[in-house]
Amino acid sequence: DAMVIQNPRYQVTQFGKPVTLSCSQTLNHNVMYWYQQKSSQAPKLLFHYYDKDFNNEADTPDNFQSRRPNTSFCFLDIRSPGLGDAAMYLCATSRDAGNEQFFGPGTRLTVL
Amino acid sequence: GQSLEQPSEVTAVEGAIVQINCTYQTSGFYGLSWYQQHDGGAPTFLSYNALDGLEETGRFSSFLSRSDSYGYLLLQELQMKDSASYFCAPSSGTYKYIFGTGTRLKVLA
Repeated sequence: DAMVIQNPRYQVTQFGKPVTLSCSQTLNHNVMYWYQQKSSQAPKLLFHYYDKDFNNEADTPDNFQSRRPNTSFCFLDIRSPGLGDAAMYLCATSRDAGNEQFFGPGTRLTVL
Repeated sequence: GQSLEQPSEVTAVEGAIVQINCTYQTSGFYGLSWYQQHDGGAPTFLSYNALDGLEETGRFSSFLSRSDSYGYLLLQELQMKDSASYFCAPSSGTYKYIFGTGTRLKVLA
């Protein structure tokens, strides 16, 4: 089945220790998104790629970076995680503008 | 600027009909999506309106009025499994979706 896969599902890191979350898709969609969602809050868009074009949200901290080496994969790098970065990180894809977004199951990040 | 409003919580009984409203102010507006999210799960797509009017998908319908910057999600024949958070998400400019704060729906037996 075509889907969006996120690894790992749960990630524990130490304060200040870099961490990378991965997302892959078999849908061959043009657009990939990274959202941060904290408890009882809405998903907050961090950035998105249309193909290889990177679009960063103005309020996304510099601590968060992303890479999309090919259509199928996208990575979220958190260079120096702080306690406030503990959250669920959701990857999503869409075929094009205005289309349905397909979400992965998310990676729950814990920062100790 | 951009703003988005939806009620924080709605409670209804099984079998009832509930409407969740969403008002938005979004530059470069394309359309309005609705997503359902159960606790601990990922958002799942419910509907998308690009044009004014009502879109019906089974028990769920979604409405959009572009001139009023307003939309709603209508859930009919409520079931216990509909207890979840519901987010409206206007698409802003190209390929970008901004999620509302979400409406927590509680369905009572």
